[in-house]
Amino acid sequence: SQLAEENSWALSVHEGESVTVNCSYKTSITALQWYRQKSGKGPAQLILIRSNEREKRNGRLRATLDTSSQSSSLSITATRCEDTAVYFCAANVGDNSKLIWGLGTSLVVNP
Amino acid sequence: EAAVTQSPRNKVAVTGGKVTLSCNQTNNHNNMYWYRQDTGHGLRLIHYSYGAGSTEKGDIPDGYKASRPSQENFSLILELATPSQTSVYFCASGVQGHFYEQYFGPGTRLTVL
Repeated sequence: SQLAEENSWALSVHEGESVTVNCSYKTSITALQWYRQKSGKGPAQLILIRSNEREKRNGRLRATLDTSSQSSSLSITATRCEDTAVYFCAANVGDNSKLIWGLGTSLVVNP
Repeated sequence: EAAVTQSPRNKVAVTGGKVTLSCNQTNNHNNMYWYRQDTGHGLRLIHYSYGAGSTEKGDIPDGYKASRPSQENFSLILELATPSQTSVYFCASGVQGHFYEQYFGPGTRLTVL
């Protein structure tokens, strides 16, 4: 069952613009992970944000977590064509070794 | 150097045939996972393992078996392949100390005719 979900199926921006992908979840979590999947590849983790953290940065990426509204966002600034990918959120529930995955948001960055 | 590899990368099988997808990891992670990815469904967990000799059912295990003969290797077996199992299959490894961050292989595209 999908307890985590991104709030948009697809986004399109132009290079240099900023973009935000949102994720909501439906249960108490211990951490929220953001992954990126480029065409023809497996997903790769971008950022992990723990439940006691509100914000995490990794270069041009910024993730936020709001446990009261059970939502997270991933913002990308100064987007590049190589940011074109599908972005997933995945939630950790307790110490469960299974992640709860969202369905993914497709981002296209146009030149 | 790729830490999670999958073979074959592409496979065409016939309905009713047996298919084995293989995964090897050099991360020395205890946990390994098999997912399938279909448009509109995201990543769905088929089987996972806590270590050599262990296999656990995921969310969609029907029609699939798994085998973990060693820390490094994890196989997904389709005893009687059906067209509905046409998909892209991903293997991943993960470790508890990093909130089970998962490291994925490149995927296997399986077509069942």
